[in-house]
Amino acid sequence: DAGITQSPRYKITETGRQVTLMCHQTWSHSYMFWYRQDLGHGLRLIYYSAAADITDKGEVPDGYVVSRSKTENFPLTLESATRSQTSVYFCASSAGQGYQETQYFGPGTRLLVL
Amino acid sequence: GNSVTQMEGPVTLSEEAFLTINCTYTATGYPSLFWYVQYPGEGLQLLLKATKADDKGSNKGFEATYRKETTSFHLEKGSVQVSDSAVYFCALTLNAGNNRKLIWGLGTSLAVNP
Repeated sequence: DAGITQSPRYKITETGRQVTLMCHQTWSHSYMFWYRQDLGHGLRLIYYSAAADITDKGEVPDGYVVSRSKTENFPLTLESATRSQTSVYFCASSAGQGYQETQYFGPGTRLLVL
Repeated sequence: GNSVTQMEGPVTLSEEAFLTINCTYTATGYPSLFWYVQYPGEGLQLLLKATKADDKGSNKGFEATYRKETTSFHLEKGSVQVSDSAVYFCALTLNAGNNRKLIWGLGTSLAVNP
């Protein structure tokens, strides 16, 4: 009963490096989401996916890339990390059955870009 | 546009005090409304929800009523505990379109002192 997991939990990288944050869910939920959380901005949606091979941009997609080749995985890649991408990143999933359903969140990844 | 406005924090209360966190929304159509809670160092988790006008969501002693006439979904608890210290997020989804995106408030931090 692992639920939704994220790795790594903490990451320090340097400006310009490529970083991939992993997200894995065991429920076979169709929808998955990536958010960033920053003080003063709350949660902002980066990308989301309605199913394998279907992804779409959220509010703040610039500088990020996602893929979803398998239902259970939804990696987020920072192609060339910048200091402004220092944040806490949360992955979430939902079953996609209706508008009133719950999103389930992972524990988050704290990313520091030096 | 569609939006959620929460009262600014931080809110500091003594144990057993009454809690209200205000949330108002602007939305086209008939949204579903949610309160999520984030305990220190963790991801968000659903606290309660309401899917139509006059519905009351409740969980762990917290309550919120969907008020269409005032476009509000205020969170209340009669007697808070130290363990309720967390950040509380109000959110909505729109019952239209094919996505399942949540529109978030900025969060309200609650600290409960013994």
